[in-house]
Amino acid sequence: DGGITQSPKYLFRKEGQNVTLSCEQNLNHDAMYWYRQDPGQGLRLIYYSQIVNDFQKGDIAEGYSVSREKKESFPLTVTSAQKNPTAFYLCASSIVHRKVSPEAFFGQGTRLTVV
Amino acid sequence: SQQGEEDPQALSIQEGENATMNCSYKTSINNLQWYRQNSGRGLVHLILIRSNEREKHSGRLRVTLDTSKKSSSLLITASRAADTASYFCATDSSEGGYNKLIFGAGTRLAVHP
Repeated sequence: DGGITQSPKYLFRKEGQNVTLSCEQNLNHDAMYWYRQDPGQGLRLIYYSQIVNDFQKGDIAEGYSVSREKKESFPLTVTSAQKNPTAFYLCASSIVHRKVSPEAFFGQGTRLTVV
Repeated sequence: SQQGEEDPQALSIQEGENATMNCSYKTSINNLQWYRQNSGRGLVHLILIRSNEREKHSGRLRVTLDTSKKSSSLLITASRAADTASYFCATDSSEGGYNKLIFGAGTRLAVHP
């Protein structure tokens, strides 16, 4: 089955802890993205990567970090510097096209709660 | 920065009725996409319309694009209870040299049996 897998589905974090959300895809896509979604809101871009070992900040990168050591994997770390991390996190992937935004494929999301 | 804004924020209809959702955006685009999200799940791509297209159909979905008004609409005909979901428009941004998708806040559609 080709697709994009996020884990875990639910994650609880204590104040001051760093946590890492996993995102893996076997679609052979070069581009991967992390979005944050708050209740009743749209998606806001945290980080994106077009190629291995390269990534760019999105609109709300503060308090987050990523790595792209493998084409298939794009983990997101929510650091203690992120003051309001409780949200639904969505990972997506797509082909790379320089002129036209391609269709994005999404994982099922990780719901992060600070306890 | 959000590019697309959907209207209405919420829509409640009966099965069999048509549902129309609108999206407005601010800057020029190469294409506009519509996605669907069931509660607590990821987004699923529905349809893409290019900037040189005015209308596109896919099954019970009809999308229009008016680049002069910077707006798009998604029409779902003969709605079903299973169409209950949030619907998002997404426009492209070429900031930084690579295209990425910018999503609106979505329209929450409830279809009642």
